[in-house]
Amino acid sequence: GAGVSQSPRYKVAKRGQDVALRCDPISGHVSLFWYQQALGQGPEFLTYFQNEAQLDKSGLPSDRFFAERPEGSVSTLKIQRTQQEDSAVYLCASSRGGINTEAFFGQGTRLTVV
Amino acid sequence: DQQVKQNSPSLSVQEGRISILNCDYTNSMFDYFLWYKKYPAEGPTFLISISSIKDKNEDGRFTVFLNKSAKHLSLHIVPSQPGDSAVYFCAAPRTYKYIFGTGTRLKVLA
Repeated sequence: GAGVSQSPRYKVAKRGQDVALRCDPISGHVSLFWYQQALGQGPEFLTYFQNEAQLDKSGLPSDRFFAERPEGSVSTLKIQRTQQEDSAVYLCASSRGGINTEAFFGQGTRLTVV
Repeated sequence: DQQVKQNSPSLSVQEGRISILNCDYTNSMFDYFLWYKKYPAEGPTFLISISSIKDKNEDGRFTVFLNKSAKHLSLHIVPSQPGDSAVYFCAAPRTYKYIFGTGTRLKVLA
């Protein structure tokens, strides 16, 4: 596709439920990022992939968060046993890679945990 | 530690006038900065960037100014249009990841 695609756009989960958020990056983009954006805040880094390798997961808030990109294209962010504080917009971005290259963001998935 | 700061959460400007959005940073190692624009229910879209070797970069109605000694950058929009109403984020890459400010909501009044 022409841009970064994320699904679902909206997800309501009951506390304790597991969720999986999908990201389709721009074709050929080596780098893929996940960010979390809380209400009224800027996006905050969660994790980074270069092709299929997860090179940085320092931003993942707890071990309930897990991300994968097994074939170096589509990525999934999984959150186990969701809690109310997980409610946020989860943004995926991709880029060609390299220093100071522009990242293209998807529309995000708004997760609400009730 | 907020390394990139946008101290004005909101700004209202009349159509046709200049909008000035400000951003301050604390890390002198930052050498590249970007501005992103975000409409409701959409992801951020890239607007304009500037390298630290420059003090100004212009693209149509949008100009970014960088003052390295003050660790300050600003985005100027001239003339402002109602379609510019959005949240604007400044960001700085630290290696591969972006550090974002908290955003400024711009409202351009018709």
